[in-house]
Amino acid sequence: DIRMTQSPSTLSAFVGDRVTISCRASQRLGTWLAWYQQRPGKAPKLLIYKASTLQSGVPSRFSGSGSEKEFTLTIDGLQPDDFATYYCQPYNTLFPTFGQGTKLEI
Amino acid sequence: QVQLVQSGAEVKIPGASVKVSCKTSGYTFTMYSISWVRQAPGQGLEWMGRISPDTGQIIPAQSLHGRVSMTADTSTTTVFLELRSLTSGDTGVYYCARGGYADPFDVWGQGTLVTVS
Repeated sequence: DIRMTQSPSTLSAFVGDRVTISCRASQRLGTWLAWYQQRPGKAPKLLIYKASTLQSGVPSRFSGSGSEKEFTLTIDGLQPDDFATYYCQPYNTLFPTFGQGTKLEI
Repeated sequence: QVQLVQSGAEVKIPGASVKVSCKTSGYTFTMYSISWVRQAPGQGLEWMGRISPDTGQIIPAQSLHGRVSMTADTSTTTVFLELRSLTSGDTGVYYCARGGYADPFDVWGQGTLVTVS
């Protein structure tokens, strides 16, 4: 199985900040990686797929980059709604295991 | 618009089984896999498996040790998840999501709370 390791596990920031979350894969993925946002008590929401393609309706302050084993999610200009938990996931694999999550706190 | 609507909360005793439904609408049912993801209280997301509604093929997570089954009813465009031999470790929120191999999980159900106690 592919193992996904996110860092940091928790991230504290202010409204207006630029933050970066990292995701490392144990195997090469090409660009078959997605990022999800989950607010407390809500279902996850797809933000980015193919490593850098923004899902329809997602604000442009979100961006993704990377390939193969190293990926990043960047939020440029944090808004109050962005304080949530973020997960990465490979999706071209038989068993698409999620990263352990990064909690973004105010 | 595309929607996935799940069945309501369940309370089960250890050793029992639970069946959760996921009613889909707004797209061609047989064109997308449906995956199941669960989340224990305060924990991360755990992929449980997926079903291809056109063929009925299931790919379950190995960690569930054969306790899971999934079915798809094309007449009602509904997918079902059944989990057997429940333990307290199965307590959590269960989500269905549209997506599978080579498709990101782009639409999610609202979640179903399963409590084993």
